[in-house]
Amino acid sequence: QVQLQESGPGLVKPSQTLSLTCTVSGGSISSGSYYWSWIRQPAGKGLEWIGRIYTSGSTNYNPSLKSRVTISVDTSKNQFSLKLSSVTAADTAVYYCARTDGYCSGGSCYRYFDLWGRGTLVTVSS
Amino acid sequence: DIQMTQSPSSLSASVGDRVTITCRASQSISSYLNWYQQKPGKAPKLLIYAASSLQSGVPSRFSGSGSGTDFTLTISSLQPEDFATYYCQQSYSTPRSFGQGTKLEIK
Repeated sequence: QVQLQESGPGLVKPSQTLSLTCTVSGGSISSGSYYWSWIRQPAGKGLEWIGRIYTSGSTNYNPSLKSRVTISVDTSKNQFSLKLSSVTAADTAVYYCARTDGYCSGGSCYRYFDLWGRGTLVTVSS
Repeated sequence: DIQMTQSPSSLSASVGDRVTITCRASQSISSYLNWYQQKPGKAPKLLIYAASSLQSGVPSRFSGSGSGTDFTLTISSLQPEDFATYYCQQSYSTPRSFGQGTKLEIK
């Protein structure tokens, strides 16, 4: 079955760039009509959607982070990545990668996050 | 952006109880509403999509209803493994947004 796994540094210094990769195993990142998303969760708090990428390379970002976020895909490695620049302590969180699937009926597509990675904690500290 | 508000923020209940969690959207989102369950230290798990469709493998004691701005998640008979935090999420537009969560605790 398809699995997602986040990887990257667990500690990033303030003002630097956070870089994470999500590796998709058990299936091709290019198959199907999936979006691939990044979502984060500060300790003890709720979930925040960061953005998503389609395998064509088209992206959507949360406006609250848009000026600092880049999501890219490498289909040859079956991976997609997140870069978040100019980080501060407020960016400390567990970062999840997730697959968006959808149920389409009557011209409407209802999308949902059906597969998630286990999450990786990124701490921003000097 | 669409704001999602859940109530209550926390809830105490006993095994066997029927429990309802409410989610309200700041504007109409038709049926573009999903529910997730999250246990400590784990990733969220999809329970319900399109407001009322049960994800494969999810027990039938979970159900969802609603459309427009008001939605509910109901657990018909709480089991010990259901004590967790529940989130609603809208997929009507980007940016995607989640409710603040409802923590379901054992009474």
